Order: sequence, then C-alpha cells, then structure tokens
Amino acid sequence: GAVVSQHPSRVICKSGTSVKIECRSLDFQATTMFWYRQFPKQSLMLMATSNEGSKATYEQGVEKDKFLINHASLTLSTLTVTSAHPEDSSFYICSARDREQSSYNEQFFGPGTRLTVL
Amino acid sequence: AQSVTQPDIHITVSEGASLELRCNYSYGATPYLFWYVQSPGQGLQLLLKYFSGDTLVQGIKGFEAEFKRSQSSFNLRKPSVHWSDAAEYFCAVGAGSGGYQKVTFGIGTKLQVIP
Repeated sequence: GAVVSQHPSRVICKSGTSVKIECRSLDFQATTMFWYRQFPKQSLMLMATSNEGSKATYEQGVEKDKFLINHASLTLSTLTVTSAHPEDSSFYICSARDREQSSYNEQFFGPGTRLTVL
Repeated sequence: AQSVTQPDIHITVSEGASLELRCNYSYGATPYLFWYVQSPGQGLQLLLKYFSGDTLVQGIKGFEAEFKRSQSSFNLRKPSVHWSDAAEYFCAVGAGSGGYQKVTFGIGTKLQVIP
C-alpha cells in the first residue's frame, strides 16, 4: 500500500516551454502533497505544500508564478514549471501524506521526475 | 525551526562490516524521525521511523536506529552491510501539528560498499 506515482519519469524540453508533472497517490487519499527539488549530490529542498482544494503554500524563495501547483483532487497534484530555463533542470520529487494517518507525519514519496531544459 | 545534521557526507565500508550513519536533529519538542534511502535516479524509500515508545526501532533490510533524546541523535545501524546497500541515506525530522507538518531532510550520507 501507500504507493505514489509520478509522470513523466523523465522529460526534456526547450527553454521557454512549460512542463507539467503529475503526482498521484494510487491506493490512498492524500489531503496534503509536497513538492521537492533535488540538485545533484544535495538533499531534498521543499518547494511547496499543497492541500486539496486550496492554494499551495510556497517556501521562501520559491516563485509561485514559476512553479504552479494544483491539487485538484485527493489523489492528484500537478506541478507546472512555466517558461522553463536551463537552471530549472533538476530532479523533482513529490510526496503525499495519507489522509487516514495524518497524525503520524509520514510522507510517501514518488519515484521522481528528471527535468532537463535545453 | 527544526534542522537535521548528517556529519558524514560519504562513508565507505567493506561488505560484511557493520555500519553506523550519524544523524543529529534540532527541535524543541519530541520530533518525528525518519531514515530514507535513495538509489541513483530513484525516489526515496522509508527505512524506518520513530514517533514514540521504544527508542530502538527496527526497519526494513536489516536496519535499525536508536533515538537518544539526551544527544539529540537518531543514528542508523546495520550489523552486516551488503553490496546492495550502497546508496544515499537521508535522515529527516518531522515537526509541527495540526494541518501543517513539515519534514526537513539532512544533506544525506552516501554509502559506498567495497568487496
């Protein structure tokens, strides 16, 4: 149980285009989903927290107009990187918290999406 | 705000040897503590977690960790390392309550296993 999927697993795009990444909780309902960014040889940096049906909460320094997050249902959150540039190239990982286990603070992670902007 | 320190960026051990990865946290109250493992190009897999109760927790793949409040530590151990354990290991602390709970990750420790 507690499986989180991400799509696509790898994407290459041209500079200036927008890219959408999907994060799905496959066998549970997620009231809260998180988006992280991981640079090579570094830890995960939380970008934003999204709650179903409400606006995402962005961490300091993360441009909300650049990284659009939509958490439209209890099983789906999307991250759209708008007008992508080479510096946006990174590994993006989402995680989800099980609605039934919210008190335990555990997050289940997706496999990640490797974004390369040319 | 909570923080996590993993003092060892890179560790090399021989296959079959014991392993201990260090983790220290900073948080004012009792934290939720986690260890995750990440293989290259992959997401994170939870090894074990501590919320309350017994301070020695058992995880998957033969790993265990001990919560020591007096030392603010949550070190990960394995008695005999296998070549397949080579990966990046992240310690994390969860804090907060109610509708907003945040998990902060350490910088990670890369484990290399030599034959």
